[in-house]
Amino acid sequence: EAQVTQNPRYLITVTGKKLTVTCSQNMNHEYMSWYRQDPGLGLRQIYYSMNVEVTDKGDVPEGYKVSRKEKRNFPLILESPSPNQTSLYFCASSLSGQGVETQYFGPGTRLLVL
Amino acid sequence: GNSVTQMEGPVTLSEEAFLTINCTYTATGYPSLFWYVQYPGEGLQLLLKATKADDKGSNKGFEATYRKETTSFHLEKGSVQVSDSAVYFCALSLANTGNQFYFGTGTSLTVIP
Repeated sequence: EAQVTQNPRYLITVTGKKLTVTCSQNMNHEYMSWYRQDPGLGLRQIYYSMNVEVTDKGDVPEGYKVSRKEKRNFPLILESPSPNQTSLYFCASSLSGQGVETQYFGPGTRLLVL
Repeated sequence: GNSVTQMEGPVTLSEEAFLTINCTYTATGYPSLFWYVQYPGEGLQLLLKATKADDKGSNKGFEATYRKETTSFHLEKGSVQVSDSAVYFCALSLANTGNQFYFGTGTSLTVIP
């Protein structure tokens, strides 16, 4: 089954404790992206990647890192999480990143930073 | 800059009522436009899309027409069902920005029997 998977689905952590949220897709997509969803703000793009070893900042990259060492994986790293990073995070992928393509979303990771 | 503005929710309708969710956009180039739907506890799914002016996207009884003159992409459905209860997001994508996506804030729809 074609899908985007994220782990963990739920995470509670404390300020300053490094964490990684994994994202994997099995569709051989070149384009992958991370979003955060906050009430009243909709989805905002954090980082995106057009291909292996190619990443770019979205609208809200501060406090986040990403890497794209393999085509299927695009982990999101919070080196020193803070409470304002409490949010619902979505990973997404599409075939080649062209504007007309459909993005496929993962099920989301709900993060609480205390 | 680039942005999407959609009508505030929540919206509550009776089954078989007519639905309109307004969406307008600002873009520095020529965008592709999308409507995504998020059912409770799930990720977003593409509902429909349009890639050029006057195109009409349609799916599952929903429609939206790309209006360049009014920079709008309003979502409509003639007769909603309880199963349409979800959050709806309007979005745009611009290839000349490296395929960044911009989403609206979402409109929550509840359909009551």
